[in-house]
Amino acid sequence: QKEVEQDPGPLSVPEGAIVSLNCTYSNSAFQYFMWYRQYSRKGPELLMYTYSSGNKEDGRFTAQVDKSSKYISLFIRDSQPSDSATYLCAMSDGDSNYQLIWGAGTKLIIKP
Amino acid sequence: DGGITQSPKYLFRKEGQNVTLSCEQNLNHDAMYWYRQDPGQGLRLIYYSQIVNDFQKGDIAEGYSVSREKKESFPLTVTSAQKNPTAFYLCASRGPNQPQHFGDGTRLSIL
Repeated sequence: QKEVEQDPGPLSVPEGAIVSLNCTYSNSAFQYFMWYRQYSRKGPELLMYTYSSGNKEDGRFTAQVDKSSKYISLFIRDSQPSDSATYLCAMSDGDSNYQLIWGAGTKLIIKP
Repeated sequence: DGGITQSPKYLFRKEGQNVTLSCEQNLNHDAMYWYRQDPGQGLRLIYYSQIVNDFQKGDIAEGYSVSREKKESFPLTVTSAQKNPTAFYLCASRGPNQPQHFGDGTRLSIL
């Protein structure tokens, strides 16, 4: 079993829909949680960075962390075709030299 | 304009050849990382460096080598011992208590 599980998709939704992307993990020591967006042939771009449990909102994006269920989510409101990309979750226990454990990424397609 | 620059964008390797991928950052970050990304897989850590003149192996270091002679530079050499080098290579750096930030990658292919 992988430390971080993420559905690879593709997930296809119509423009304007609310998108929910998720990752589950097995290591209860993880404290730092990140979502990155990666366009084709580009490097990952940091979208959200959260510590411990709770919600964090930034514009159309909301990150949720539920440590009791070992489950994190990224919600995208009013989705746009420009949101079409691969979304990667990553997490760290803060020790181990801040090494990140990565999900495989979910490919998201927003249809106009 | 601060950031991480990887070059070249595309690279081709002949059999038995070593090739070096460049990564330069002007963010004054101490920590730097090299990852490999294959289709449908997450990022896998090759090497990382927390400080100049020091680096550690990641999960898939075999067939790769690095150096860290300057704070801003962390080149990766893909040696002929790496039998399956075709992949997208990503360099990242990180400031204190901050998440990692990435360059735009180098795509390596075999001729």
